[in-house]
Amino acid sequence: KAGVTQTPRYLIKTRGQQVTLSCSPISGHRSVSWYQQTPGQGLQFLFEYFSETQRNKGNFPGRFSGRQFSNSRSEMNVSTLELGDSALYLCASSYGGSGRWFEETQYFGPGTRLLVL
Amino acid sequence: AQKITQTQPGMFVQEKEAVTLDCTYDTSDQSYGLFWYKQPSSGEMIFLIYQGSYDEQNATEGRYSLNFQKARKSANLVISASQLGDSAMYFCAMREVLTTDSWGKLQFGAGTQVVVTP
Repeated sequence: KAGVTQTPRYLIKTRGQQVTLSCSPISGHRSVSWYQQTPGQGLQFLFEYFSETQRNKGNFPGRFSGRQFSNSRSEMNVSTLELGDSALYLCASSYGGSGRWFEETQYFGPGTRLLVL
Repeated sequence: AQKITQTQPGMFVQEKEAVTLDCTYDTSDQSYGLFWYKQPSSGEMIFLIYQGSYDEQNATEGRYSLNFQKARKSANLVISASQLGDSAMYFCAMREVLTTDSWGKLQFGAGTQVVVTP
């Protein structure tokens, strides 16, 4: 099976712009989660989508939003970019919804490195 | 409050030696899962091993094993026979089980940087 894919891999934006990141989960996986990783804050959970519904949400401002499509692909949007949004954004997928550990284990994509100037 | 604590920011280990990475966690839930991930410099997080809170035996997966002490709330990762390719950041993470078919978010520790030397 193909792994989790994320596009684009690298992105440079300027303050005030908006950005959309895309994530395609492993085939058959219904849950997609997003994480932000920075040297200062480490790995922080943004949100999780399961069957097109947001199931969990982290403590990020409303500038960060996401959605999931019927094919389980997910997009994350950040509006009005700030310098502090520079980070590695990781997407992870799992089968989800069964409660069994092997179906709740999250598998990660390679990430999108966002630099805000 | 930080739920996952990894007290070792970095470690050097010689090739072929074993290394133990510490992880303690904090939860009042009885049902949860503990995960270890490896992140090489390329950035991708690689799942290594899982331990469930109700598992009576320590998990093993190839050269990886977990030293799970539930009463102490610790889940230390042991990498045996280290290889140069093991050089990476290692993260301990936890997911609390919310319902029979819904788990909470994956919460990560700060990570431990492992450098394997020849």
